[in-house]
Amino acid sequence: QQQVKQSPQSLIVQKGGISIINCAYENTAFDYFPWYQQFPGKGPALLIAIRPDVSEKKEGRFTISFNKSAKQFSLHIMDSQPGDSATYFCAASWDKYIFGTGTRLKVLA
Amino acid sequence: NAGVMQNPRHLVRRRGQEARLRCSPMKGHSHVYWYRQLPEEGLKFMVYLQKENIIDESGMPKERFSAEFPKEGPSILRIQQVVRGDSAAYFCASSLGGYEQFFGPGTRLTVL
Repeated sequence: QQQVKQSPQSLIVQKGGISIINCAYENTAFDYFPWYQQFPGKGPALLIAIRPDVSEKKEGRFTISFNKSAKQFSLHIMDSQPGDSATYFCAASWDKYIFGTGTRLKVLA
Repeated sequence: NAGVMQNPRHLVRRRGQEARLRCSPMKGHSHVYWYRQLPEEGLKFMVYLQKENIIDESGMPKERFSAEFPKEGPSILRIQQVVRGDSAAYFCASSLGGYEQFFGPGTRLTVL
């Protein structure tokens, strides 16, 4: 119940393409769902987050889609760029964060 | 820049020694969280502290690990008698008490 399942484990996308990363959770007590971006040797940086009362949130090229009934949420990166190459983590929280296992994204130039 | 600060950034210890990791939260933040990240894995929650109080330590190993966040000074994660399996990146995050957590750059611990 405490797990957050993230897929795919790795993703290769052409420059300009759409990157899609999916997460699923079990615990309906979760009420905050952030996405973090992590570059090698750095700490995770908050990218975008959503609450379950909203089905979609967009910030620039990054969009979270949230399906409360399916207990799933996903990150879409539009017009993916080589600079987006990083590891992305989803998380779910009600008081502490439960992180997914990460997706290593590589955007080809 | 008043971001979360962690030091040291890299720490090498021999088996059996003690490791002390320090975290200074963002200015005005009184909530601190510690996470451990093993290579190629996600972050695992260890402990949540508010000034002078441990709120949730459900992710902390029962032995050798302790954490504090004193009234003055940084939060400290202390690992006694380190073993090779303790080698990992340890991240600290801070918050105002709401949902957003801001992470530091991490301390990479290597146990020889």
